[in-house]
Amino acid sequence: DAGVIQSPRHEVTEMGQEVTLRCKPISGHDYLFWYRQTMMRGLELLIYFNNNVPIDDSGMPEDRFSAKMPNASFSTLKIQPSEPRDSAVYFCASRRDSVYEQYFGPGTRLTVT
Amino acid sequence: AQSVSQHNHHVILSEAASLELGCNYSYGGTVNLFWYVQYPGQHLQLLLKYFSGDPLVKGIKGFEAEFIKSKFSFNLRKPSVQWSDTAEYFCAVNAREDYKLSFGAGTTVTVRA
Repeated sequence: DAGVIQSPRHEVTEMGQEVTLRCKPISGHDYLFWYRQTMMRGLELLIYFNNNVPIDDSGMPEDRFSAKMPNASFSTLKIQPSEPRDSAVYFCASRRDSVYEQYFGPGTRLTVT
Repeated sequence: AQSVSQHNHHVILSEAASLELGCNYSYGGTVNLFWYVQYPGQHLQLLLKYFSGDPLVKGIKGFEAEFIKSKFSFNLRKPSVQWSDTAEYFCAVNAREDYKLSFGAGTTVTVRA
């Protein structure tokens, strides 16, 4: 199994630009989670999906952030417009319904200048 | 909602020393407990987990953790650390009826050769 796949691994963009982060969960996993990791705030859950449906987006910081999961094998997290304070590492994780642990992807390191 | 507290922000020790990292959570119901490790520049990996049964659980790389329900604690231990254990360690909790993981702030462990 390839594990959770994220792309790109690094993204550098200018303030105001649109950023799209991508995630492919482990095949057969029903749940997909997006996290943000910063020095100041640690690991924060942004949103999670069950069977492609968003269940809880209370962690999404503001309207500039949106996430979609058009099918079981793909999800995107979009930031539009991006701001310097969005600089962080964004992790995607997935899990099966019957198994409690989450499996994390390698993360996308986003730098907004 | 549950919260997780990790006692130490940064621990520095020499090879062969013993390690214990504290973790306490606040939630009155049944929980699942996890320790994740993040090596420099890498993604989070599961060290060990507790769902039920024997409160002393063993994980990978010689780590173990003990769940003490009366103290709401899940401390991580390793009898003899190696330089390669240098990493950040996260305690995480989810309520049994919830799918969201709450993470502690993390403890950075530096092992000196």
